[in-house]
Amino acid sequence: QQQVKQSPQSLIVQKGGISIINCAYENTAFDYFPWYQQFPGKGPALLIAIRPDVSEKKEGRFTISFNKSAKQFSLHIMDSQPGDSATYFCAASPNAGKSTFGDGTTLTVKP
Amino acid sequence: DTAVSQTPKYLVTQMGNDKSIKCEQNLGHDTMYWYKQDSKKFLKIMFSYNNKELIINETVPNRFSPKSPDKAHLNLHINSLELGDSAVYFCASSLRGLYEQYFGPGTRLTVT
Repeated sequence: QQQVKQSPQSLIVQKGGISIINCAYENTAFDYFPWYQQFPGKGPALLIAIRPDVSEKKEGRFTISFNKSAKQFSLHIMDSQPGDSATYFCAASPNAGKSTFGDGTTLTVKP
Repeated sequence: DTAVSQTPKYLVTQMGNDKSIKCEQNLGHDTMYWYKQDSKKFLKIMFSYNNKELIINETVPNRFSPKSPDKAHLNLHINSLELGDSAVYFCASSLRGLYEQYFGPGTRLTVT
């Protein structure tokens, strides 16, 4: 049973555009929702994370929007740049327990 | 200053062989993980150790045996390698209770 569903599988955006990746979860015990960024040949790296007590968190061009009632959260990348081209994973975990990862989204930002 | 390191980076071997991957972290974390990333980039947790104690053991063939000699090290030994074991294996670490995981650079295992 997949507990975190991520979409889309791949995304192509023009430079300067907004990239949006969505995730939905099922387990209401999840209380930590990170996004990881992975470049080819590298390990995933934590990009930004949110806890369910806030509806939005922004760090530079990256914003997480969180909807607790809908059990959904999304990553918005404003002013997308070619250097943002990578695979993005959402994840969720309960109380420092096991993280469950989404299937990943391959983002390509065209110059 | 490497935070989470893995050796080797690449591993090419034949079916039936036994191989090991080593992981070390210098972040002072108390929890370490092994993940498998397949060709479709799906990332699946395999094992987790906290203070040398196994706390997560997913449905993984018993040909895979993790070992944590101390908090800073987590090794993965694989017996009787199969073609389906070909993947990238990532080690990660965290300070339990703080959620954030730090990943190593990965070990690309190719079984021929």
